[in-house]
Amino acid sequence: SQQGEEDPQALSIQEGENATMNCSYKTSINNLQWYRQNSGRGLVHLILIRSNEREKHSGRLRVTLDTSKKSSSLLITASRAADTASYFCATGRNTGNQFYFGTGTSLTVIP
Amino acid sequence: EPEVTQTPSHQVTQMGQEVILRCVPISNHLYFYWYRQILGQKVEFLVSFYNNEISEKSEIFDDQFSVERPDGSNFTLKIRSTKLEDSAMYFCASRGQAVEGYTFGSGTRLTVV
Repeated sequence: SQQGEEDPQALSIQEGENATMNCSYKTSINNLQWYRQNSGRGLVHLILIRSNEREKHSGRLRVTLDTSKKSSSLLITASRAADTASYFCATGRNTGNQFYFGTGTSLTVIP
Repeated sequence: EPEVTQTPSHQVTQMGQEVILRCVPISNHLYFYWYRQILGQKVEFLVSFYNNEISEKSEIFDDQFSVERPDGSNFTLKIRSTKLEDSAMYFCASRGQAVEGYTFGSGTRLTVV
């Protein structure tokens, strides 16, 4: 299976702290994306990193990718209560094909 | 910002009934997808659609499921005879040529009773 697996499954931090979530996958990929999902809501695309990239930033988000270890991390700096959500990684092999989602990390940011 | 729109947001149906879930992808997008998420579980791929035909489908997408792009703007998922285990959130997604342009709708919560 190519599906990503996030770690930890649940994370609880104080507002202002940094949150780090990890994703591991099994097969070679073309790209990896991180998504956010508020409870009962849709999926919001956060950031995409291609297999030839090692790090990418978007606002308070920093994503790293280590293809040798088949892993990625998502760092949210200076977390806010509004960051409370589930975060999923999704891996893609080819540009037209499906993405494989992991089980997600449930992040709770305590005000 | 362009959005993928899904209707209805919540549908309740009797077991054995047919349901049609509707999606309006972003207008200049070329690739269309359906995913589902059973409560508390991971998001699962159902089907991808390109150039008016299915390009890939998963094991979940059996003969009870079908997709259609009837009028060049809507993209529908039909479940012919719903089962209790079809209860899930169904997400439509679309994208253009760029992989970065992958956009999901807000989902339709299907409850089969």
